[in-house]
Order: sequence, then C-alpha cells, then structure tokens
Amino acid sequence: SYELTQPPSVSVSPGQTARITCSGDALPKKYPYWYQQKSGQAPVLVIYEDSKRPSGIPERFSGSSSGTMATLTISGAQVEDEADYYCYSTDSSGNRGVFGGGTKLTVL
Amino acid sequence: QVTLRESGPALVKPTQTLTLTCTFSGFSLSTSGMCVSWIRQPPGKALEWLARIDWDDDKYYSTSLKTRLTISKDTSKNQVVLTMTNMDPVDTATYYCARTLFRELLYLPYYYMDVWGKGTTVTVSS
Repeated sequence: SYELTQPPSVSVSPGQTARITCSGDALPKKYPYWYQQKSGQAPVLVIYEDSKRPSGIPERFSGSSSGTMATLTISGAQVEDEADYYCYSTDSSGNRGVFGGGTKLTVL
Repeated sequence: QVTLRESGPALVKPTQTLTLTCTFSGFSLSTSGMCVSWIRQPPGKALEWLARIDWDDDKYYSTSLKTRLTISKDTSKNQVVLTMTNMDPVDTATYYCARTLFRELLYLPYYYMDVWGKGTTVTVSS
C-alpha cells in the first residue's frame, strides 16, 4: 500500500522558518495536500494542489515539491502555528486517500 | 457556508456495528464533483482515511477496512451514513466527515477534503 513519510517532530523559534517534509514514491505524479490540526480541533486545509493556499490561510504558509519529496514551509512561524501537520495524497488509482504520519510543529 | 456535523453513539460494545451519520449544509451531493469522505483518528495517533462517496454514487473504501465498511447517501436529507461492522477496541477514535472535492488535473483524478466536521468520539468497550 502507498505510504507517505513525515518526520515526527520539527521545532523552531518564533520568527524562524519551519520546513516540514513528506516523502512518497508517487509524489512526482501526485499533488500533495497539507492539513493543520491544532490540539483538540478538526484538521484545516492549508495547502492544496502542491502550492495553493485556501482563502484565509496566511501567506507565510507555502508548499513545494521536488521529486519524491513535498515540503510545507512556514516563513516566520508564529506561536499560533504550533500544531500537527499532515500531508495527504491519493493512491495509484487516485481513488483512495493516504495520510502521512503527521509532524508535530513546536514553536517556542 | 459549508458545514458538516457527525453524529452517532459515543460508546459501542465489541462485535457491535457502528452507524455514523454526517449531516451537511452549504452544498449538494447531487452536484458534479462533490463528495463526502470519512476519516478517523485514534487517540494520539495519525489521521486514517476510511471511505468516500461521490456525487454519482461511486463508493471507495480503505483497502484494509473495506470488508467492514459501508457508505451511503441520502441526497434529499443532505446526509451520508457510514457503517462499520464487528467493532473492536482498536477502533476507538474520533471519526470525522469532510466535504471532498473532485478535480481532474493533467488528466489525473484528485480528491481532497476542504471542509471538515468537528468530529465525534467513539469508544469501543464492553
């Protein structure tokens, strides 16, 4: 089955750039999506189709891909960005969803 | 404004069947490209995609759980129902439903969740 691999944790100081990676064999052919989940809350879409931001998501959130690696970048991370971040894509059929294992971002 | 709300029992016994309902507003499941997915999250663990139903009534299930899952829709009521049979304590989780959009990009199908419900917590215990 298709897998997406993320680092368990990333830690930065406020104002620094946080980079969260997601690796998967199919990512060169499949757009990744990114979700933010704050403690006790439902996930929120922050990046779709690799690099697009939904309305209401701050400009400091950006996405990119190269080969089998996708990266969520938070430029000038804020304390309120502290959350779990999940990458998401679909399997080879395009019909079944797959989540990465999640990355806990600490900003302090 | 798109909203979704999950409902169902908070506690089920092992071997029982779980039935969850997602009631939504702000979109129609009869509109081309609209779908609803179910996702769950065990306590302290990652998100797990479970199932999806599309506007044309196509249905897709997690490979590992497909023998236990059934998804259906009632377009007139704006509801999607997920049933999971033979519940086990490892199925204890928060269950989310989410509006899912279909897009075709460079001849490839993409489905992604853009709006989520708040989730409902299900505990499996005798």
